[in-house]
Amino acid sequence: DTEVTQTPKHLVMGMTNKKSLKCEQHMGHRAMYWYKQKAKKPPELMFVYSYEKLSINESVPSRFSPECPNSSLLNLHLHALQPEDSALYLCASSQEGGAAYEQYFGPGTRLTVT
Amino acid sequence: GQNIDQPTEMTATEGAIVQINCTYQTSGFNGLFWYQQHAGEAPTFLSYNVLDGLEEKGRFSSFLSRSKGYSYLLLKELQMKDSASYLCAVRDGPGGGNKLTFGTGTQLKVEL
Repeated sequence: DTEVTQTPKHLVMGMTNKKSLKCEQHMGHRAMYWYKQKAKKPPELMFVYSYEKLSINESVPSRFSPECPNSSLLNLHLHALQPEDSALYLCASSQEGGAAYEQYFGPGTRLTVT
Repeated sequence: GQNIDQPTEMTATEGAIVQINCTYQTSGFNGLFWYQQHAGEAPTFLSYNVLDGLEEKGRFSSFLSRSKGYSYLLLKELQMKDSASYLCAVRDGPGGGNKLTFGTGTQLKVEL
């Protein structure tokens, strides 16, 4: 199984809503990542979890709150978002954050903030 | 920090060979990755180079010169399904948290 799953596929939310994005992998990977991708732009790293601990936060606004309940799951909690936060949110995982292993990406959640 | 450059767009003919270049200037280096991304889909891993030289994988090959800060992805026997964005990504060194930074991507269009 080399699959990273993400739910939901699409999400529309108002600026006052609270929602969560979910990511799951069963490859035994110990590093998990959140990326944000705007149209026709490359993915931009947001957060890295290594062994269930937050190791990198790329100065992401606090309206985005990551959580890693266990080694297979990664959540991204959203609150008070802005329309410019509309993007494709990609989750990825790799065998280990510190080694040169490729990252496997999920299909993404397309988020629209109205 | 990382500065990664790729051509924005390329067009090639089905059955031909195309080379997509990537140059980088980085504060740390721990490997270079190539990913393919079809519109609306997730990036998929194509190749990885950490030492100088050529890595071959079927129709795809990738080359790295660390001294020149240069890589290329070579696609042979192009097929229509190869039309996609090709992303060069550099992994920072341990001092930079081993982060992966993506270039802007090269949109490849394969024509008949």
